Amino acid sequence: NAGVMQNPRHLVRRRGQEARLRCSPMKGHSHVYWYRQLPEEGLKFMVYLQKENIIDESGMPKERFSAEFPKEGPSILRIQQVVRGDSAAYFCASSPGQGSNTGELFFGEGSRLTVL
Amino acid sequence: ILNVEQSPQSLHVQEGDSTNFTCSFPSSNFYALHWYRWETAKSPEALFVMTLNGDEKKKGRISATLNTKEGYSYLYIKGSQPEDSATYLCAFMLWNFNKFYFGSGTKLNVKP
Repeated sequence: NAGVMQNPRHLVRRRGQEARLRCSPMKGHSHVYWYRQLPEEGLKFMVYLQKENIIDESGMPKERFSAEFPKEGPSILRIQQVVRGDSAAYFCASSPGQGSNTGELFFGEGSRLTVL
Repeated sequence: ILNVEQSPQSLHVQEGDSTNFTCSFPSSNFYALHWYRWETAKSPEALFVMTLNGDEKKKGRISATLNTKEGYSYLYIKGSQPEDSATYLCAFMLWNFNKFYFGSGTKLNVKP
């Protein structure tokens, strides 16, 4: 049973370009979370999605950032017109969702975005 | 934004030492408290999920306690080994299951 898969693992973009990060949750998991880790900081919540729905995006910047989790395919975190401050590691985590008695999160290995 | 605080930020111990770290969180609207272990270049992995005041969980040499009324959890490692070197994260979950708030972690380095 494959774990949470994130790609690309490393992404380099120039200022103004777009970055797309993908996350395939564990099989059977319908809930996806995106977290950002800035240098020397902890994990900061960005967005929580279920299939075809954004449940909570309160941690996501209002501009340039968007996320989706379509019925088919991976969850995507999209950053438009990237700036240097977007350089960070972006982690995806999945869980089976409500009804699970643990709420445990299963993390991917992260996507490291570098903006030149 | 809720504050989940972990202390100390980093810890250097000798092999064989026992150690403990603290996670402090808001005591209202508590749902669950998670501990994760995060090794360098890997992804965080869950150690414990704790939901009830007074919970004590144990996995090998690692154990954790939970006090929801005063808003803290302790993680203990008995007889630290070099392979215990990692960052230990705690995450606080609100009652409505929507969010996990992570602390900044305690980075443990165990010297042989």
